[in-house]
Amino acid sequence: DTEVTQTPKHLVMGMTNKKSLKCEQHMGHRAMYWYKQKAKKPPELMFVYSYEKLSINESVPSRFSPECPNSSLLNLHLHALQPEDSALYLCASSQAGQGEEKLFFGSGTQLSVL
Amino acid sequence: GENVEQHPSTLSVQEGDSAVIKCTYSDSASNYFPWYKQELGKGPQLIIDIRSNVGEKKDQRIAVTLNKTAKHFSLHITETQPEDSAVYFCAAKRTNAGKSTFGDGTTLTVKP
Repeated sequence: DTEVTQTPKHLVMGMTNKKSLKCEQHMGHRAMYWYKQKAKKPPELMFVYSYEKLSINESVPSRFSPECPNSSLLNLHLHALQPEDSALYLCASSQAGQGEEKLFFGSGTQLSVL
Repeated sequence: GENVEQHPSTLSVQEGDSAVIKCTYSDSASNYFPWYKQELGKGPQLIIDIRSNVGEKKDQRIAVTLNKTAKHFSLHITETQPEDSAVYFCAAKRTNAGKSTFGDGTTLTVKP
């Protein structure tokens, strides 16, 4: 199984809502990532978890809260978002500790904030 | 930090022709260079990568070349097919630290 599964595929939320994005992989990868991608732009790194510990936070606003319950799951909790947070949110995984970062991406959650 | 420039931003070729996408990086310590293909509605997919101790790597119709001295690397696609139409991203990374830095992407269109 070489898939990274993200749910939901689409999400529309108001600025006062709380929602969560979910990501799952069963490749035994111990590094998991959240990226944000705007249309016609490259993915922008948000967070990295390595062996279930947060190792990189790219100065992301606190309205985005990541969580890694176990080595296969990654969540992104959202609250009080702004319209400019509308984007494609991508989860990725890779084998940790190997230096080379071969990223396996999910298909993403298309988020619209109204 | 690392900066990766990618050219061209758009590329249109006739089916069967070759396509070349070029990237330049700034950090001489970068030593791992992957290429990702992103089709519409999907996440990026790793299609080929190269380490700095190798000058060229080939996988069927795709190849990547690396010039460490000039700090640039290129993706070559031969005998292009309509299914090669996608956005291609190059990236650069130090294998011992840091994160992958992506280029801005190239939209490749292969006309039947």
